[in-house]
Amino acid sequence: VQLQESGPGLVKPSETLSLTCSVSGNSLSGFYWSWIRQPPGKGLEWIGYIYSTGSTTYNPSVMSRVTMSLDMSKNQFSLKLSSVTAADTALYYCARVQYDVYSGGSYYIDYWGQGTQVTVSS
Amino acid sequence: DIHMTQSPTSLSASVGDRVTITCRASQNINRYLNWYQFRPGKAPQLLIYATSYLPNGVPPRFSGSGSGTDFTLTIASLQPEDFATYYCQQSDTNPLTFGQGTRLEI
Repeated sequence: VQLQESGPGLVKPSETLSLTCSVSGNSLSGFYWSWIRQPPGKGLEWIGYIYSTGSTTYNPSVMSRVTMSLDMSKNQFSLKLSSVTAADTALYYCARVQYDVYSGGSYYIDYWGQGTQVTVSS
Repeated sequence: DIHMTQSPTSLSASVGDRVTITCRASQNINRYLNWYQFRPGKAPQLLIYATSYLPNGVPPRFSGSGSGTDFTLTIASLQPEDFATYYCQQSDTNPLTFGQGTRLEI
């Protein structure tokens, strides 16, 4: 399974950040698909995930500004983050979240993309 | 949100050393604790899930233990490719949260 992020590396303040994650080696069906980001010099922040049915769960820290979607025909999923500010400057990762009943119903990220840098600046 | 605290934040060690990294949760997360390795220019890698489960392909020198609020990642005998940054992450409660990372240096 391989994931590859794509999208503009530079976004203007107040505009919408749009990223796409292309998945190869696995269908989107039956899995959760997630976005995580890491601002420069800071820790990792989980943005949210989308299940293959289209059901979403978002981090409350960005919930009012975020939308995730799927394109099953292209085997891609996407992130849109509106009204961006400099605080949204980060390395953005897409990832697959696995649910494992045999380990007591645990969720974990088993595949990550390499990440794509997004800078918010005028 | 559940706050995850790792210690140490950085660590110097040598090839062959045994190393332990600690992760503490601000509340009980049962055994829903995962560990990841980040290396520059590479996709992050899952090392341990659900506290102590080793994914296929991860060398057995990596192991995890703990429960409740206190967890550890142990590398039994450091190899050159293990010098990286390690993060713990809880999946007990949304939002999923990560520790601040432990940088392992030569």
